[in-house]
Parts: sequence; C-alpha cells; structure tokens
Amino acid sequence: DVQMTQSPSSLSASVGDRVTITCRASQTINTYLNWYQQKPGKAPKLLIYAASSLQSGVPSRFSGRGSGTDFTLTINSLQPEDFATYYCQQSFITPRSFGPGTKVDIK
Amino acid sequence: QVTLKESGPALVNPTQTLTLTCTFSGFSLNTSGMRVSWIRQPPGKALEWLARIDWDDDKFYSTSLKTRLTISKDTSKNQVVLTLANMDPLDTATYYCARSTTTRYAFDFWGQGTMVTVSS
Repeated sequence: DVQMTQSPSSLSASVGDRVTITCRASQTINTYLNWYQQKPGKAPKLLIYAASSLQSGVPSRFSGRGSGTDFTLTINSLQPEDFATYYCQQSFITPRSFGPGTKVDIK
Repeated sequence: QVTLKESGPALVNPTQTLTLTCTFSGFSLNTSGMRVSWIRQPPGKALEWLARIDWDDDKFYSTSLKTRLTISKDTSKNQVVLTLANMDPLDTATYYCARSTTTRYAFDFWGQGTMVTVSS
C-alpha cells in the first residue's frame, strides 16, 4: 500500500498570507495526486486533481505542483473561507490512501 | 446534477454487521468509467478509504479491512451497498460514499456522510 504523509500537521496563518502544504508518497505515484478541503461537519471537497489541475468552480488562488513522490498545495492570499483541513490522496494504486491532513487555522 | 446520499443505522452493537446504502443520482454505474467508493472518518481523525465498486462490477478493498468488507451495487436502484462485519467501537466514524471516474481518478462528488456509533 502507498503511505501518504503531510507537513505541517497544522499551521496558523493570517488572511492574505500565502500558505504551502507538502504531501509525500511512500513510492512514486506519477501525478496521481489529489487535494481536498474539509470544513468541520462537512464532506471533503475536491480542489485539485492530477497534482495540478484545478477542479471546476475552485478559486484560482489554489494551486498544486509535483510529481513522483513530492507534492505541494499552495493557497495564495488566504481568505477567511479557506480556514479548514486539507488532505492529499493518491489515486495511482488501489487501495487508495489519504494523508493525515493539515489544519489551517487563524493566527 | 450528481448527488449521493448515505443511509443506515446510527447505532450498532459490537460484533454486529453494519449495512450502509449509498443512493445516487445524476450518473449511472452502468456507464463505463464510473466508480463509487466508501470512505470513513473517525471523530477528529483522518479520512480512510474502505472499498470501491466499478461500472464493470470490479471490487476493491482496504488491505486492513478486506476480510470484513463487502461492496455491491444495484444499478436498477442506483445504489451501492457496503457491509462491515464484526463491528467494534473503533469502527465508530462518519461513513461517506463518493464518486470517482476514470477521467479524473479523484473523488469529485461526495455524500453528506452518515455517523455510525458502535456501542452496547
């Protein structure tokens, strides 16, 4: 199985900040990497698929990069509605697997 | 538009079998490339993928839970059913169903989730 790790596990930031979250896979997954945003009590929402493709309706301040084993999610100019937990997920191999999450809260 | 909704018991006794139903609309599991997965999330913890069924009836399971899981579909009812045998308090979680496709290989639509508590 592919193990996913994320760093940091949490971070505090201010509105307008640029935030970067890192995700690492235990083996190469090409660009089969997706990012989700989850707010308390809600289902996750797909932000980025295939490492860098923006899901329809997602603001352009969200961007993703990476291939192989190392990936990043960047949020440019953090907005109040962006405070949430972010998960990466690999879709290269079944069983699928998620990272442990990164919680972004208000500084 | 695509929607999914989970249903099932809110409370299950230890050792019982949990049966959850995902009822969806806006797509068909008869259509090539369509897939439905189950994913769970214990309170305050991360997401865990459980199982998937594909349009061609291929089935895939979590390595750690595969001896306890069964997934099936009823395409006439637009439903996917998950059973998890021998429930334990550690199985307490919100259970989600989600769609993916062979176009994007990502969970693009999710149900609202259903909370299941395992307790006697």
